[in-house]
Order: sequence, then C-alpha cells, then structure tokens
Amino acid sequence: RKEVEQDPGPFNVPEGATVAFNCTYSNSASQSFFWYRQDCRKEPKLLMSVYSSGNEDGRFTAQLNRASQYISLLIRDSKLSDSATYLCVVNPTGTASKLTFGTGTRLQVTL
Amino acid sequence: DGGITQSPKYLFRKEGQNVTLSCEQNLNHDAMYWYRQDPGQGLRLIYYSQIVNDFQKGDIAEGYSVSREKKESFPLTVTSAQKNPTAFYLCASMDRGLSNQPQHFGDGTRLSIL
Repeated sequence: RKEVEQDPGPFNVPEGATVAFNCTYSNSASQSFFWYRQDCRKEPKLLMSVYSSGNEDGRFTAQLNRASQYISLLIRDSKLSDSATYLCVVNPTGTASKLTFGTGTRLQVTL
Repeated sequence: DGGITQSPKYLFRKEGQNVTLSCEQNLNHDAMYWYRQDPGQGLRLIYYSQIVNDFQKGDIAEGYSVSREKKESFPLTVTSAQKNPTAFYLCASMDRGLSNQPQHFGDGTRLSIL
C-alpha cells in the first residue's frame, strides 16, 4: 500500500460546481497534513493545513478523519482558476523530517 | 521578500557532465530538501538536511550529491552517474523550530539532457 494515495483524476467539473477530493494515508501515527496546489510546470504552493477539527478558508474546506486515515478537500463554487493539481501531503512526525507527497489529483474546471 | 531562490530555471547537461543546481533561502529555516518530479508523477525526495553540515539521503539519492556549508544554501549536484537526469527539480525549506509546519518551495529548475 502506498504511504499516501490519491485518485489521480482528472476531475472535470463545470464552473460553480462543488468538488471533493479524498486522500488516504497508511501511517496511523502521522501528525500533520496539508493540501498543496500545483499548476502546470510550476512549483507546489501551500493551499491549506488540515487541522483535526476541520478548517475552512473561503471556498475551501479541509477535513481529517484519523479513524479512517483520510483527509479531504472540498471546493465550493469552483472557478476556472481552480484548475490545477492538488497534492495531499503528510508529515509522519510533525517535525522537520521527511514529508510524504501524494501524486496529486488533477482538477479541470470548465465553462 | 523572504523566499527560496532556485537557479538556473533551465539547465542542459551533456553526457558525462556534472551540473550543480543552486538553492538559496532567506527564511532562516534550518531544514532544506531536494525533490525530483517527472512528468505526471509525484515528488520524490533526493536529499534533505535538517541542520548545517549534516544531510541525509532520501529515496532516490543515487547519482546525486549535496552540501550544506551554510544555513541559507543547499546546492544539488547531478553527477554523470545519474543516467536519467531529465526532470523538474524542486528545492524546499521548512522551519525546524516549530512542529507541524509546511514546506515552502522554490520555483524549480528544469534539467534536460543535450
């Protein structure tokens, strides 16, 4: 089993739609979790951290389910500019050690 | 502006040549990382360093070397032993003093074989 697994997509959704991505992780002791956004041929950029109680940033909501070992990202009212690859990232220890990156889920928002 | 600077943006390597990719950060971060990304693939860790004068191999260290003589700098050398070096190389840094921190990335170097 991969340490971090994501559905590669692509998810093709119309503008204004709500879309959700899930990411599962294998290390039950993992401490911190993040969603990054990566545009084509660019570097990954932090979208949001994922907190145990769930957190929201505008149209984006992240949730963590430790019992089932998955995190999710919900995007409401999708915009064309949301088209990108979304990377799930897990830090097993919470310290500055090795992070584990998922291979990403590609989102394409269309008119 | 604080950030991570990678140079050059594009680099071409001849057969048998070593090339060095630069990564400099002014975020005062202790930890720095090098990743490789192939088209349509995820990030794979090459080397990382949690403190000056110390570094550890990542998952794909063969054919690469690094040094960490200064806190701000973590150069990566792609040696001639790396037979398939064409990829997007990303440098990242992280605050080691606080827990649960994200990594911050430079804008990458694209390396191609001539």
